[in-house]
Amino acid sequence: GQQLNQSPQSMFIQEGEDVSMNCTSSSIFNTWLWYKQDPGEGPVLLIALYKAGELTSNGRLTAQFGITRKDSFLNISASIPSDVGIYFCAGQQTGTYKYIFGTGTRLKVLA
Amino acid sequence: GAVVSQHPSRVICKSGTSVKIECRSLDFQATTMFWYRQFPKQSLMLMATSNEGSKATYEQGVEKDKFLINHASLTLSTLTVTSAHPEDSSFYICSAGTSGGGDEQFFGPGTRLTVL
Repeated sequence: GQQLNQSPQSMFIQEGEDVSMNCTSSSIFNTWLWYKQDPGEGPVLLIALYKAGELTSNGRLTAQFGITRKDSFLNISASIPSDVGIYFCAGQQTGTYKYIFGTGTRLKVLA
Repeated sequence: GAVVSQHPSRVICKSGTSVKIECRSLDFQATTMFWYRQFPKQSLMLMATSNEGSKATYEQGVEKDKFLINHASLTLSTLTVTSAHPEDSSFYICSAGTSGGGDEQFFGPGTRLTVL
């Protein structure tokens, strides 16, 4: 099935550092969602974006909907150990209820 | 709000048996639910879209006779893996949208299926 390109694939960072990851596609999306998944659990919604250029924050998390509608990024500021997990972007194309998921970014935080 | 549950959380079965997984929206009505499969260290792959009161829509490559979906009510969708084989072992996750399937999707906790 189709997937969105997400980068980086994985990253190790020091506690307190800021983290940035992005999601790109060749197709236009009208909604972007960002999720975090812990091992053995379902994804948990972090941020939802509905308009091109939209910048939305949720605590230490900030996500933006790219102007071209083909990309989105997620920033985590001042990372803490519990930020460890896999982060997925998901895009919804116009005219469909379906979401396509990114390949995931595996984040590991070193205390 | 927007809580989705799945049952069972884990199931181990013998090859050839059928397994039913339930997905429930606990505090909202979900006209549309989605079933995903996730293999270890991989992303979520959409299997099918479950529509209340009508047939499910399957993604390309997903066998509808093997993965039976029933959306009996606005709060319940079931996925039955028929004649399961070891290659069907995976993490199955459902999601539900809060407005007709669009906008935000909320996921269940997933079901780990192991076929011996």
